[in-house]
Amino acid sequence: QKEVEQDPGPLSVPEGAIVSLNCTYSNSAFQYFMWYRQYSRKGPELLMYTYSSGNKEDGRFTAQVDKSSKYISLFIRDSQPSDSATYLCAMSHAGTASKLTFGTGTRLQVTL
Amino acid sequence: DGGITQSPKYLFRKEGQNVTLSCEQNLNHDAMYWYRQDPGQGLRLIYYSQIVNDFQKGDIAEGYSVSREKKESFPLTVTSAQKNPTAFYLCASSIVGEWETQYFGPGTRLLVL
Repeated sequence: QKEVEQDPGPLSVPEGAIVSLNCTYSNSAFQYFMWYRQYSRKGPELLMYTYSSGNKEDGRFTAQVDKSSKYISLFIRDSQPSDSATYLCAMSHAGTASKLTFGTGTRLQVTL
Repeated sequence: DGGITQSPKYLFRKEGQNVTLSCEQNLNHDAMYWYRQDPGQGLRLIYYSQIVNDFQKGDIAEGYSVSREKKESFPLTVTSAQKNPTAFYLCASSIVGEWETQYFGPGTRLLVL
């Protein structure tokens, strides 16, 4: 079983929809949670990170962490075609903070 | 412009050949990383370095080697011992202690002839 599970998609939504992307994890030591966005044939870029349970908002993006359920989510409001990309969750714990464990990524397609 | 550059964009390897992937950054970051990305497997850490002349193995270091002679540069050599080298290779850097904020390069796609 992988430490981090992420549905690969693809997930197709119409423009303006609210998107929910999710990851589950098995290692209860994970404390730091990140979401990266990766456009096709490009390197990932950090969208958001959090190190506590609860919600963190940045513009149209909201990251949610539920440590009791070992579940994290990224919500995208008012989705745009430019949001079409692969979204990767990543996690680390204090003992090996420099080593990120990535999910496989969910491919999102926002259609006009 | 500050950032990370990787070259070449595409690289072809013949059987038994060693190849070296270049990674350069001008972000003044101490930490640098190499990841491998395969379809359906996400990113896996090959090697990382937190300071010049020091580096540690990641989860899949076998068949790879690195050097860190300069702060700005962290080249990765894919040796002939790596039997399945076809993948997308990503280099990243960060400030030591800000591991969550890793800046990635554009990647090198390695193909075997």
